[in-house]
Amino acid sequence: GEDVEQSLFLSVREGDSSVINCTYTDSSSTYLYWYKQEPGAGLQLLTYIFSNMDMKQDQRLTVLLNKKDKHLSLRIADTQTGDSAIYFCAESGDYKLSFGAGTTVTVRA
Amino acid sequence: NAGVTQTPKFQVLKTGQSMTLQCAQDMNHNSMYWYRQDPGMGLRLIYYSASEGTTDKGEVPNGYNVSRLNKREFSLRLESAAPSQTSVYFCASSDRGGGYTFGSGTRLTVV
Repeated sequence: GEDVEQSLFLSVREGDSSVINCTYTDSSSTYLYWYKQEPGAGLQLLTYIFSNMDMKQDQRLTVLLNKKDKHLSLRIADTQTGDSAIYFCAESGDYKLSFGAGTTVTVRA
Repeated sequence: NAGVTQTPKFQVLKTGQSMTLQCAQDMNHNSMYWYRQDPGMGLRLIYYSASEGTTDKGEVPNGYNVSRLNKREFSLRLESAAPSQTSVYFCASSDRGGGYTFGSGTRLTVV
C-alpha cells in the first residue's frame, strides 16, 4: 500500500549480509512486521518489533527501527539460497495490516 | 493445528460468474481479513472483520462481499466476476497485538 514503501529488488551473494529497507507513514503503528513469501506459498511471519523498541535480534535476523524517521530495516546475516523470497514490511493500524509492495531478494552463488 | 484454511486453492471463472471463497481458522482469533495480492502491489485489504458480527471495508472492497459466519469462518463472495479480479487471495486472522496468520492462498483466474 502507499503508506508503506520498500525497494522492489535486492541481489546478494551467498554468505553476505542482506539489508532490506522500509519506510512507513503511520506514527501510531503499534507493531511493525516482516513477512517472507516463497514462490507459490502464503506469507510467513519472520519477526516483528514493538514500536517502543529500536532493535530486535533473532538468530540471523536483526530488525532496526528509527521511529523518528519512520524507517524500518531487516538485516539477514550469512544469507543462504533458502533466503531467496519476497519480503514484505507491514505496519499495524487499528485491527489491520498495511503492506509494502515487497522486496524480491535473489541470492546468487 | 491447521491454522488458517482456505478453499479452494485454485479456481478459474468466466466473466460474470459468481463464487465464494471460504476461510476458517482454529486459533480462536477475534479478527479476520481478506487480502488480494497483485504483482508489484503487495497485499491490499479487501474487507476485514474485527470481531464476530462486524465487517468493514478495506482498501479495495468494490466487487466483493463478505460474511462473518461465526468466530471461525469468514467468506468472500464475488457476485459477478471480472478479469480485474484475477489475483491471489489471502485470508488471515489475528488477535489484537499479536501476529497475523495467513492461509496458503486461492489463485483465481477470471477469463
